[in-house]
Amino acid sequence: KAGVTQTPRYLIKTRGQQVTLSCSPISGHRSVSWYQQTPGQGLQFLFEYFSETQRNKGNFPGRFSGRQFSNSRSEMNVSTLELGDSALYLCASSSGEVYQETQYFGPGTRLLVL
Amino acid sequence: AQSVTQLDSHVSVSEGTPVLLRCNYSSSYSPSLFWYVQHPNKGLQLLLKYTSAATLVKGINGFEAEFKKSETSFHLTKPSAHMSDAAEYFCVVSEGNFNKFYFGSGTKLNVKP
Repeated sequence: KAGVTQTPRYLIKTRGQQVTLSCSPISGHRSVSWYQQTPGQGLQFLFEYFSETQRNKGNFPGRFSGRQFSNSRSEMNVSTLELGDSALYLCASSSGEVYQETQYFGPGTRLLVL
Repeated sequence: AQSVTQLDSHVSVSEGTPVLLRCNYSSSYSPSLFWYVQHPNKGLQLLLKYTSAATLVKGINGFEAEFKKSETSFHLTKPSAHMSDAAEYFCVVSEGNFNKFYFGSGTKLNVKP
């Protein structure tokens, strides 16, 4: 099976712009979770989508949003970018049918905000 | 409430010597515990997972971890370090009816020749 894929791998944006990141889960997986990784805050949970519905949410401002499509692919959007949004954004997929299950991570999208 | 504490931010060992990466957790429920590894500019790779079947969990690449409920610890070990083990390691807790992961702050492992 192909692994989790994320596009694009690298992005450079300027403050105030918006950005959309994409994640394709492992075939058959219906849950996609998003995480932000920064040197200062480490890895933090953004949100989880399952069957096109947001099932869990972390403590991030409303500028961070996401959605999931019927084929389980997910997008994450960040509006009005701030310098502090520079980070590695990781998505992870799982079947979503069992709690506390293993999540499989993609290689990440590295976002730089100038 | 859940939290994960990785006791060492950096660990340095010589090739061929044992590795010990320490993790303590707090959880209100019966948690699942994981160790993931991240090589530079790469995503996270699962090393091993503890549910409740066995307290000693064997993972990939010779790593293993022991769940000690009385000490709320889940330390990662390997008998003999290899240069390719140099990476950052994350201890993770997941609990309750959620698929949310709580990550430790990470331990960077350096392996000297």
